[in-house]
Amino acid sequence: AQSVTQLDSHVSVSEGTPVLLRCNYSSSYSPSLFWYVQHPNKGLQLLLKYTSAATLVKGINGFEAEFKKSETSFHLTKPSAHMSDAAEYFCVVSPPSGGYNKLIFGAGTRLAVHP
Amino acid sequence: GAVVSQHPSWVICKSGTSVKIECRSLDFQATTMFWYRQFPKQSLMLMATSNEGSKATYEQGVEKDKFLINHASLTLSTLTVTSAHPEDSSFYICSASRASGSISSYNEQFFGPGTRLTVL
Repeated sequence: AQSVTQLDSHVSVSEGTPVLLRCNYSSSYSPSLFWYVQHPNKGLQLLLKYTSAATLVKGINGFEAEFKKSETSFHLTKPSAHMSDAAEYFCVVSPPSGGYNKLIFGAGTRLAVHP
Repeated sequence: GAVVSQHPSWVICKSGTSVKIECRSLDFQATTMFWYRQFPKQSLMLMATSNEGSKATYEQGVEKDKFLINHASLTLSTLTVTSAHPEDSSFYICSASRASGSISSYNEQFFGPGTRLTVL
């Protein structure tokens, strides 16, 4: 069965410092992996996706993630946090066995950014 | 582009009543819509997938007669929680994609802002 584990439920950083949100996945097959962000009162927005092309994926708003098969990880990073980055972040796997449109969500990581 | 709305954004109802939640794709035609449920401090759980004009496909453990899904047009899907009980209280989120599911490629899902249901 496919699953994702987000290792931190809360992450707090200072504005201008790097962001690291950790995600490990479990999949019998080569999965597709995504990061979504959820701002209050707004729909989830796709930050980036990995679909077996380049292992380093660049997304919107300066975020990127690296697919590491040996570590079964897909951590999300950003060099410098902005106040507007404060939100809930979800790591998501889409198993090919269920069709690539079935999404399995991690529990989420709440990112707080303070001045 | 690719905006999805939900109505209402929140609803409170009495136990035993039915509640309808609407999901609309505002600027594109959505042949496939998805309904998720999110419990507090937990992840989203897929409830069902619906393609326009056909019956919804429910995930294991989701009661079809409890959660009625209708996808009558390319821009509207509805979720009706029938005979609601307090345990149905949750955050319901829909998403929509432009094309029907293809096993060889990912069709991005665009998410609505969610509807918070509270059953007293």
